[in-house]
This record gives sequence, C-alpha cells and structure tokens, in this order.
Amino acid sequence: AQSVTQLDSQVPVFEEAPVELRCNYSSSVSVYLFWYVQYPNQGLQLLLKYLSGSTLVKGINGFEAEFNKSQTSFHLRKPSVHISDTAEYFCAVSGASKIIFGSGTRLSIRP
Amino acid sequence: GAVVSQHPSWVICKSGTSVKIECRSLDFQATTMFWYRQFPKQSLMLMATSNEGSKATYEQGVEKDKFLINHASLTLSTLTVTSAHPEDSSFYICSARDGNRGSTGELFFGEGSRLTVL
Repeated sequence: AQSVTQLDSQVPVFEEAPVELRCNYSSSVSVYLFWYVQYPNQGLQLLLKYLSGSTLVKGINGFEAEFNKSQTSFHLRKPSVHISDTAEYFCAVSGASKIIFGSGTRLSIRP
Repeated sequence: GAVVSQHPSWVICKSGTSVKIECRSLDFQATTMFWYRQFPKQSLMLMATSNEGSKATYEQGVEKDKFLINHASLTLSTLTVTSAHPEDSSFYICSARDGNRGSTGELFFGEGSRLTVL
C-alpha cells in the first residue's frame, strides 16, 4: 500500500521569495509521483510528475521537484513565487491502479 | 493536453431528489475514470474507480446504492447521487486516465461539480 504525507497544511510566503512544499511517501513497490495544483472551485491541474530517470523534474509555472529515494521525499520548489501561485497543492503517489493524494498544502502569497 | 469536461459545474437540489453528474473525456479514450469527493479545505477522497463496460469498484465506506456510477462508453462516466441529503453536499471531481498511456500516465481532471442539497 502507498501513502503520502504533506507536512505543512499551510505555507505563507512573501511575493518573489522562494518556496518549498514538502512531500514524503511510503511504498513497498516502485511508484510514480505527482504534484497537482488546485485553484478555488476548480479541478486539479498537473504541475509535474516523476516516472523514472532524472531525479530533478521541471514542471509548469516555474516549479520543480526532486525525487529522493533514500529520504522517500518529493519536495516541490519554486525560486520566486508570484501572487498567481496562491492555490492548494497536492502531492500524489500512483501505484498499479490508483492515485493516492496527500492532504494538501495551501500556499498563500503575501505582497 | 487531454481535456476532461464535467457537467454541471454547480447544482442545487432539494433533499430527496437525485442528481446526475457527467464526466467526459473530450480528446482521448478513458478506459478508467475515477470519482473523488472533496470536503472544504480537505484533500480528495477516492470514492470509486470506474472501468468502461464493467461495474465500478467502490472504496470502503462508500455506499454503492447511494452513489451510482455508470461508465457505458470510453468517453463518458456518470455519477448519480440518489435521494440526496444535505450531508451529500460536497465538491465532486472526476478524473480520467488515458488508456493509451498505461498505468503510469497522469490523471486528467474535470473542473469539478459543486452539489448543494437543501
């Protein structure tokens, strides 16, 4: 079975500052990892995914994440955030059949 | 990218009535669709997995007679909330997996449907 833990329920950060959203997972088999973003009253949009290969994955909107197998982590980072990045971010892990989501991290940007 | 359309976006109904929510994959064949429920400020809770042409697989604790799922074609899945009650009010989100991308493929999400039961 797989599980996902997002350690921070809310992350406030000033505009143009860097941000890291943390995600840890557990699994007994190889998994695929995802980060999704959800804007208010909308569905989810894929930011990036790790399937195999390079552990540093670049996604849309300037986000990137690094897969760390030894620490079972897949933290999301952005060097400089914008007001438009205000949203809920979900880390997810996929096994053979379904995707399990973390509890989400609300990113709030202060001007 | 692939597009999943969900309809209606908003629905208000009276207690005791049934509501149907549609989920369509517009430019790919979705052999598998998933239905999630999201409570305010919470994560997505998987309700059921819907495979085209077969019965849906429900997660533990989800009433299959309450939440009817039909996946009659490769591009359409429906969720019917039967005899809705105020506690069924929630944000329902569908997602679809592109059959050509296999099990490693990402999920494509609909825009969500907000159900309010009066």
